[in-house]
Amino acid sequence: EAGVAQSPRYKIIEKRQSVAFWCNPISGHATLYWYQQILGQGPKLLIQFQNNGVVDDSQLPKDRFSAERLKGVDSTLKIQPAKLEDSAVYLCASSLFAGPGSSGTDTQYFGPGTRLTVL
Amino acid sequence: AQKITQTQPGMFVQEKEAVTLDCTYDTSDPSYGLFWYKQPSSGEMIFLIYQGSYDQQNATEGRYSLNFQKARKSANLVISASQLGDSAMYFCAMHDSGYALNFGKGTSLLVTP
Repeated sequence: EAGVAQSPRYKIIEKRQSVAFWCNPISGHATLYWYQQILGQGPKLLIQFQNNGVVDDSQLPKDRFSAERLKGVDSTLKIQPAKLEDSAVYLCASSLFAGPGSSGTDTQYFGPGTRLTVL
Repeated sequence: AQKITQTQPGMFVQEKEAVTLDCTYDTSDPSYGLFWYKQPSSGEMIFLIYQGSYDQQNATEGRYSLNFQKARKSANLVISASQLGDSAMYFCAMHDSGYALNFGKGTSLLVTP
């Protein structure tokens, strides 16, 4: 079974430029997460989708970050304009979990991440 | 609000020895799940083991076991018979009813020959 795919693996941009990351979850996984991991810290949730609806985006800086999950499968995360403090690894994860009362397990499986450097 | 604390920034262990990585948590939700992930230098987060708050027995997965002490709010990871490939960052994480994960700051484990 294929794992979570992410691209690109690395990206270097200058501040105020825009950037987009792509994620393809494990087939059949209802829930998709984007996390930001700053060097030396644990990952922090940015946004959680269940199918193609947003469950939690309370920690997403909405003035510059946006995300979508079309047709409940692939997802893109965009930053516009980027700031120096956005330098981090962006991790995508997916799980079978389809919400309270569902039979899916909520173990999250992660992709390889995208390492973003903002100069 | 949830909180995960990992107090050991770095640990050393000799090959074939056992090692315990500490994790304490704080939540007011009676239903929660605890996870451990391994992050090698390549960057990918690898799921190791899960413990549910209502599980009566400690979770085990091969060489990994979770020492779950609910009253003390601790969920320590025990790695038996350490291997050189176990050198990595280890993260403890928890979810409550929201199901997104809150992570600790991680512990760096170095296994020496």
